[in-house]
Amino acid sequence: QVRLQESGPGLVKPSQTLSLTCNVSGDSITNGGHYWNWVRQHPGKGLEWIGYIFHSGLTYYTPSLKSRAAMSVDTSKNQFSLNLRSVTAADTAVYFCARASYYFGDNGDHPYFDYWGQGALVTVSS
Amino acid sequence: DIQMTQSPSSLSASVGDRVTISCRAGQNIRTFLNWYQQKPGKAPKVLISATSTLESGVPSRFGGSGSGTDFTLTISSLKPEDFAIYYCQQTFTTPYTFGQGTKLEIK
Repeated sequence: QVRLQESGPGLVKPSQTLSLTCNVSGDSITNGGHYWNWVRQHPGKGLEWIGYIFHSGLTYYTPSLKSRAAMSVDTSKNQFSLNLRSVTAADTAVYFCARASYYFGDNGDHPYFDYWGQGALVTVSS
Repeated sequence: DIQMTQSPSSLSASVGDRVTISCRAGQNIRTFLNWYQQKPGKAPKVLISATSTLESGVPSRFGGSGSGTDFTLTISSLKPEDFAIYYCQQTFTTPYTFGQGTKLEIK
């Protein structure tokens, strides 16, 4: 049974760095058939994809957060992390980690998010 | 970024009804379209990947169709546990983007 679990401070001061870790169990983070994502959801709003990281360390960040986001992977602990610098109240959200897998179809390899953490609420406030 | 637009934004229906939720992509995304269900306080759960592939364990009353820019999620006969928010997501290109969500409520 694959499980993802976010952890980190629930309260961060403005201008500081938000740091979250996603612990993965039931699967190896080095499994080449998957890659690892962060998604956030502002209170009462929809889903916003932040970016992904492969076990090799290859990353992609959504353009609106690229200048402040950094992801890393720790294969020895089977976990990956998100740092978001210079946070403001607009970064208050529930942060989810999620595993991406592929559906291998005739039309190409289709990524989708098959396992998610339960979410971690991070509030930015002084 | 590819904009994903769902309609309607909210929908009231009764148990047993057949409902359809639409998702339109701002450009051709072929069949790179996924559907998720989210209940209050929970993480999203994948229902359908690659437009029409039902995830293991998802009831067969859920179905997906479409290609290119227009996609549909159909629930053939609503059950009480289906009242939730539904999101489409494109993974044709980065940045991946979600629709704004469709809230399915009990009439």
